[in-house]
Amino acid sequence: DTEVTQTPKHLVMGMTNKKSLKCEQHMGHRAMYWYKQKAKKPPELMFVYSYEKLSINESVPSRFSPECPNSSLLNLHLHALQPEDSALYLCASSQGQGTYTQYFGPGTRLTVL
Amino acid sequence: KNEVEQSPQNLTAQEGEFITINCSYSVGISALHWLQQHPGGGIVSLFMLSSGKKKHGRLIATINIQEKHSSLHITASHPRDSAVYICALYNAGNMLTFGGGTRLMVKP
Repeated sequence: DTEVTQTPKHLVMGMTNKKSLKCEQHMGHRAMYWYKQKAKKPPELMFVYSYEKLSINESVPSRFSPECPNSSLLNLHLHALQPEDSALYLCASSQGQGTYTQYFGPGTRLTVL
Repeated sequence: KNEVEQSPQNLTAQEGEFITINCSYSVGISALHWLQQHPGGGIVSLFMLSSGKKKHGRLIATINIQEKHSSLHITASHPRDSAVYICALYNAGNMLTFGGGTRLMVKP
């Protein structure tokens, strides 16, 4: 099983809403990543978890809050987002943090009204 | 100047044509990823390589570390190959730095 799943596929939320994005993998990978991708741009790294601990936070605003409840799950909690946060949010995982192949999920397309 | 430059940015080909996408970089790397992204958004890892050449089906990836250059070739292209192809580097911090992507359209 080389699949990373993400839910929901699409999400529309208002600026006062609280929502969560979920990511799951069952490959035994110990590194998980959140990326943000705007239209026609490459992905931008947001967070990296390694062995369920936050390893990298690329100066992301606090309205994005990651959580790694166990080695298979990665959440991204959203609160008080802005319209400019509308983007495709991609989750990825790899065997470890380093030069390992990253496996990407299908993404959640988020629209903030 | 970006650390990773891809060319061309856009490419239209006829079905059956041989396609080459180029990636040049300016920093030391430990490895390089070629990724494919279809319009739906999901990204698929095609190759990870740190030297030489790899082949999978109709896809071939090469890298020349001394010249800081990698190429992705598609033989006998097909409309289903239409996608964005992204070159990404593992930098000194072992994080991915992405190129701007090459948007490929293969016409029947």
